[in-house]
Amino acid sequence: SQQGEEDPQALSIQEGENATMNCSYKTSINNLQWYRQNSGRGLVHLILIRSNEREKHSGRLRVTLDTSKKSSSLLITASRAADTASYFCALAGNKLTFGGGTRVLVKP
Amino acid sequence: NAGVTQTPKFQVLKTGQSMTLQCAQDMNHNSMYWYRQDPGMGLRLIYYSASEGTTDKGEVPNGYNVSRLNKREFSLRLESAAPSQTSVYFCASRAGQGNEQPQHFGDGTRLSIL
Repeated sequence: SQQGEEDPQALSIQEGENATMNCSYKTSINNLQWYRQNSGRGLVHLILIRSNEREKHSGRLRVTLDTSKKSSSLLITASRAADTASYFCALAGNKLTFGGGTRVLVKP
Repeated sequence: NAGVTQTPKFQVLKTGQSMTLQCAQDMNHNSMYWYRQDPGMGLRLIYYSASEGTTDKGEVPNGYNVSRLNKREFSLRLESAAPSQTSVYFCASRAGQGNEQPQHFGDGTRLSIL
């Protein structure tokens, strides 16, 4: 089944820096969602972008979607130690399918 | 606000044993899901229930059964556990069937099969 592929698999940055991660996919989607997972916890929904949208913001999060390239990016600005987590893109077609995730470490 | 509650949090089984993973949500959601999460593979859908009284197979249903006991509860059963089923299992719920609704996750059951 279709699944997003995330890049990079892992990312280490200093507090205050921006973190960018990408998700690529192969087939049509209705929308694309991003989730965060803290260590030992379940996933938490962050933001949804529809297939007819190009950019969306929520607080320090910025998501872009390029349907012609079948890719999305999640930018976390001014990162904090509390942003340390794994981030997953999820493709919404008939069902929600998750990518393998990007592990982000924010060093204080 | 409890959200989605999974029990147990940890379990160790021997090959061939059976067990049931429990999931309950208190958000009056219609749809519920069971996923497994293995290192580097993201989440894979095992079974889902779009509404009370219905269940459907997901991507990796073999070796599992489910029961939507009522609107709140959705259980996952391993009839004869195998080492390949060692994983972290997540239950999730969603308000409706529309795919713009976010899914809400429990904190998982960590299952080891020896």
